[in-house]
Amino acid sequence: DSGVTQTPKHLITATGQRVTLRCSPRSGDLSVYWYQQSLDQGLQFLIQYYNGEERAKGNILERFSAQQFPDLHSELNLSSLELGDSALYFCASSVAAGRNGSPLHFGNGTRLTVT
Amino acid sequence: GESVGLHLPTLSVQEGDNSIINCAYSNSASDYFIWYKQESGKGPQFIIDIRSNMDKRQGQRVTVLLNKTVKHLSLQIAATQPGDSAVYFCAENSGNQFYFGTGTSLTVIP
Repeated sequence: DSGVTQTPKHLITATGQRVTLRCSPRSGDLSVYWYQQSLDQGLQFLIQYYNGEERAKGNILERFSAQQFPDLHSELNLSSLELGDSALYFCASSVAAGRNGSPLHFGNGTRLTVT
Repeated sequence: GESVGLHLPTLSVQEGDNSIINCAYSNSASDYFIWYKQESGKGPQFIIDIRSNMDKRQGQRVTVLLNKTVKHLSLQIAATQPGDSAVYFCAENSGNQFYFGTGTSLTVIP
């Protein structure tokens, strides 16, 4: 068990809808990362937060947004959903913000299916 | 963006044999590398890491080798077991970000 908790595990919704994915980082970790993993694709970085502030953005669509709350949990909001948004969404946490040699620890993901 | 690639998308080994999974990276400034294991239905699980000031690091049944000259990383698994069947990713830390390869699927044949 990595200590990172993601809910829900599965989500099925229709095109055009909006969903919220939730992540609780490991105790003591201040940094949260969101990744998307599609079939036969590697992990695509979406966005990173550190201690409540956005730290870096990757290939995140404008329809997607995220935030990290004072208690350090994070939410990823996906709106105007399209079929192509169907994927696994992973949250990872780390004790630090980036380049200091601390690994990411991943949750078990949320599987999103858009029909 | 960064490029982290894997030489082989699939690898099959006999139970008890040693496995070697390879990874190439493109950014010579990357100074921290990690191997992850991902089983079906689960998130990537940290296996072992190595910093760029090292060439080799050993864990329990796993060894990571880093060759900075050719920008190559490998994961060696000793006495491979059925429970080792999974997808293995390498990741490089460059700047504030981690870049992941697409993964190698390891199948252990009993």
